[in-house]
Amino acid sequence: AQSVTQLGSHVSVSEGALVLLRCNYSSSVPPYLFWYVQYPNQGLQLLLKYTTGATLVKGINGFEAEFKKSETSFHLTKPSAHMSDAAEYFCAVSPLGGANSKLTFGKGITLSVRP
Amino acid sequence: KAGVTQTPRYLIKTRGQQVTLSCSPISGHRSVSWYQQTPGQGLQFLFEYFSETQRNKGNFPGRFSGRQFSNSRSEMNVSTLELGDSALYLCASSSGEGAKEKLFFGSGTQLSVL
Repeated sequence: AQSVTQLGSHVSVSEGALVLLRCNYSSSVPPYLFWYVQYPNQGLQLLLKYTTGATLVKGINGFEAEFKKSETSFHLTKPSAHMSDAAEYFCAVSPLGGANSKLTFGKGITLSVRP
Repeated sequence: KAGVTQTPRYLIKTRGQQVTLSCSPISGHRSVSWYQQTPGQGLQFLFEYFSETQRNKGNFPGRFSGRQFSNSRSEMNVSTLELGDSALYLCASSSGEGAKEKLFFGSGTQLSVL
């Protein structure tokens, strides 16, 4: 069984500030981990993913995430927030070797960026 | 390359009715999966079709069904609609040939059940 916990439902940062969105997972087998972003009235877009190998993963739009097995975490960061980063962010997990289509998502975090 | 196309964009139905949603995957993709998104439950996996066969299934009642055609287009059907079925229904496509593959999502169909 798998689950994903995203602490808090809303994060607000100032433009130019660090963005940190937290994600913890629970999985009975080593997982694949994903971060998706959803802009208003749109579908989900993949930001980055961890499958195997390097634990620091770089994604699109300047985002990166680090897989920490000991902490069962996969937090998303961006050094400097931009107004265009305002959106909803979802962390997701699928089991190693499992179907990439059958993702378990967290509840999502809404990121607001203040001018 | 055209993205994942979902139609219609919005639907309004009444309780007890049935509804069919359509999803056209990216050209060449053979896997289509469906998700339900609600404010309370978040994103939940419904099912996945690959080469016209249901390959994975989530924990939804039998009122939710789907199918896939030979051109990989997929339809999802919900019978005997309930108020709780109001949601954004997203479909996603991929080649379906690897667990590491990226899913491409459509913009969704917003279903309102009155």
